[in-house]
Amino acid sequence: DTAVSQTPKYLVTQMGNDKSIKCEQNLGHDTMYWYKQDSKKFLKIMFSYNNKELIINETVPNRFSPKSPDKAHLNLHINSLELGDSAVYFCASRRMDRGGELFFGEGSRLTVL
Amino acid sequence: AQTVTQSQPEMSVQEAETVTLSCTYDTSESDYYLFWYKQPPSRQMILVIRQEAYKQQNATENRFSVNFQKAAKSFSLKISDSQLGDAAMYFCAFANFGNEKLTFGTGTRLTIIP
Repeated sequence: DTAVSQTPKYLVTQMGNDKSIKCEQNLGHDTMYWYKQDSKKFLKIMFSYNNKELIINETVPNRFSPKSPDKAHLNLHINSLELGDSAVYFCASRRMDRGGELFFGEGSRLTVL
Repeated sequence: AQTVTQSQPEMSVQEAETVTLSCTYDTSESDYYLFWYKQPPSRQMILVIRQEAYKQQNATENRFSVNFQKAAKSFSLKISDSQLGDAAMYFCAFANFGNEKLTFGTGTRLTIIP
């Protein structure tokens, strides 16, 4: 069983469209994340939810809206896509005891044309 | 704000040799965690090794070990007996205890020369 799964793995769309990426974890973790990896491989945190509550909201355009229906799911909806949104988006979850590392999904490569 | 610096964008090593990847970080906290992640061409992020700041002993996982220098805020990764499968981007990451945010460095691309 995949611990953190994201869908879709690849997404190609036109500027101005709206798209969503879904994420599910079966690890029983309370905290989930969205990270963006740009073309230079830089990983930047976007959002974090703890047990459905938003706890980290970095400087991200409000076209990006996360939603967590329960602690095992964290979805990302993006409105009015722009060329600069092209990136790989990683979902991750984390065990919050001492030394808890991030468990990542396989990433979703978004290409905006 | 915490920052993580990886000063080597690219490194290469001969197969079976040893290579060390550098990482420094900046924090005013005393209780934190450090991680090294590997990202092969498949793009999957894989945990290589982790270190808790309160532990003086350097972490080791098979061929991977760290040199944790708390006073110098340095956390380097040593890969011994390098293998072709070690070729990947390596990211250093930092998190304060009790803080949900992991901050990543800019990564080092490691090439293994056969």
